Amino acid sequence: DQQVKQNSPSLSVQEGRISILNCDYTNSMFDYFLWYKKYPAEGPTFLISISSIKDKNEDGRFTVFLNKSAKHLSLHIVPSQPGDSAVYFCAAAATFGNEKLTFGTGTRLTIIP
Amino acid sequence: GAGVSQSPSNKVTEKGKDVELRCDPISGHTALYWYRQSLGQGLEFLIYFQGNSAPDKSGLPSDRFSAERTGGSVSTLTIQRTQQEDSAVYLCASSYGQGFSGANVLTFGAGSRLTVL
Repeated sequence: DQQVKQNSPSLSVQEGRISILNCDYTNSMFDYFLWYKKYPAEGPTFLISISSIKDKNEDGRFTVFLNKSAKHLSLHIVPSQPGDSAVYFCAAAATFGNEKLTFGTGTRLTIIP
Repeated sequence: GAGVSQSPSNKVTEKGKDVELRCDPISGHTALYWYRQSLGQGLEFLIYFQGNSAPDKSGLPSDRFSAERTGGSVSTLTIQRTQQEDSAVYLCASSYGQGFSGANVLTFGAGSRLTVL
């Protein structure tokens, strides 16, 4: 049972344009959401997060949007840069009584120069 | 150390052999996690430690898998009688403690790639 889903395994975007990565979840107990970025042969690194009490969180070129009613979140990267090419994982947690992150399967983002 | 250190970075073994994977978390991090990523899959939770105890072992796929943590620091993941389906990248992560926030996120190591022939 995949509780966190990233339905697009890959995405290609022109440099300078906006990249939008999507994530859906099924567990209504999830109340904290994170995006991780992974380069080949490296571990995932934390990118940005959002609590369920907010619907938007922005950090520089990265913005995460949360739509609780739709159980959907998205990561916007603007403008996209070649160094953004990586695999992006969406993750979710139910912060009371459950200390683990549940990850999606990842989306490989390729920025075309 | 400055980051989460895992060893070995690569391990090739024959089916039926036992393997041990080691994780050195960031100093001071009380929480430690093991995940694995099989080819084409997401990160699958295996086990979580708070200090030396493991409140959540729900992700361990079979009784061939076990993990321990000593001194609130180093952790070892042991896979007995390895099978080909155990081939994956095993990732360790650590954090300061319970709960998630912008100030308390998981920091991952580079992983140990296990190949079972």
